[in-house]
Parts: sequence; C-alpha cells; structure tokens
Amino acid sequence: DVKVTQSSRYLVKRTGEKVFLECVQDMDHENMFWYRQDPGLGLRLIYFSYDVKMKEKGDIPEGYSVSREKKERFSLILESASTNQTSMYLCASRTSGRNQPQHFGDGTRLSIL
Amino acid sequence: AQSVTQLGSHVSVSEGALVLLRCNYSSSVPPYLFWYVQYPNQGLQLLLKYTSAATLVKGINGFEAEFKKSETSFHLTKPSAHMSDAAEYFCAVSESPGRRALTFGSGTRLQVQP
Repeated sequence: DVKVTQSSRYLVKRTGEKVFLECVQDMDHENMFWYRQDPGLGLRLIYFSYDVKMKEKGDIPEGYSVSREKKERFSLILESASTNQTSMYLCASRTSGRNQPQHFGDGTRLSIL
Repeated sequence: AQSVTQLGSHVSVSEGALVLLRCNYSSSVPPYLFWYVQYPNQGLQLLLKYTSAATLVKGINGFEAEFKKSETSFHLTKPSAHMSDAAEYFCAVSESPGRRALTFGSGTRLQVQP
C-alpha cells in the first residue's frame, strides 16, 4: 500500500512565524500535492509538483510556497503565518498515467494564534 | 474548466436504508471521476473511480456509482447503510492528463441513525 506521511497531526503556531509542513511518500510517485480543507469548501489546491524542483501554483497559492528537493518529500511553507491560514492541510501523491488516483496523508490540523 | 457540485452538505439515513449521495460534474473533455471517503481525523481514502470501461463502478465497502454522461452525474449509492458508513464523502474530477490535480466537491457528510 502507498504510504503518505505528514510529519505532524496537530500544530499550533503564532502569527508571523514561518511554518513548515512536511510530507513524505514511499511509492516513488512523480506527482505530489498540497491541499487545504475548510468546512463547506471541500479541498482546495495550494501547490503541486510533478518532478523534483518543479512546482506549479494551484488555486490558492497566496501566502504559501513549496519545496521539493527530493522525489519523496514535498514541503509546504507558510512564509509569515496569519490567522486565516488556520486549517486542515492534506498532502497527496500519485503516479503519472491515465486515471490514477491520489493517495492522501492523514492531514495536519494547523492553528495560527 | 472542470468543476464538481455535490448536492446536500448533510445527508441522514437510517441503518439499513439506501444511501444516495449526489455528484454532478462539469468538464470540457471526458472526465476521470473519483469518490473519496474521509473518516474523522483521517485523510481521504479512495472509494472508487470511473475508468470508462463500464458505467457502473463498484468500490469498497459495498458502494457503487453510476456514470451518466447525459446527466453529467456520478452519484454514489449503497443499498443498505451501516453505522460505520458515517463519514464525509467527496466527489472529484480530473481532466488528466491535461491537469494532474483533482477538483473536489465541497463534500457531503453522511449520518447514519440507529
């Protein structure tokens, strides 16, 4: 089975801090994704990466950046955390090819105080 | 552009009753369609996916979904609800390989009453 591991289940940070969320997958997938999940809004794509050092903006990239230095690891960075970034963050990965599903980690619930 | 609409943010059924969760999509090309389930404090788990090989798709835990092109729908059903089915369900669409990411609906929370 595919394993996508997010480094923290719960995280509490303060406004203005730089925050790192880490995600590791063990299936050599080319594509990795970061979503945020908010009640009533479903999942919204922040960034994704289709190869090492390659990234593309999703639907809501403002206030975030990403890093992919190794194929198995995809980091989400909040440059200067704000209270409106309090949310559940979900990482996913998938292999390339038609109709391949995404595999998700358990999520990080981030609170910005 | 692709989009997904899930009708009903909350659905409540009795144990043993039929489960019907609605999903309509918009896509400019033949879509790839998925249903995911999310249990409390967990990530999303794939229930089933539409492969174009058959319009009726069977998934895990007794769920199935029917692709209806004329109605642009991909509704999820289960003949008899179980208490363990209580969760949030997400429909998702992809125009892959043109777009690698999925577009998700806003989710439907299923409550199962004893």
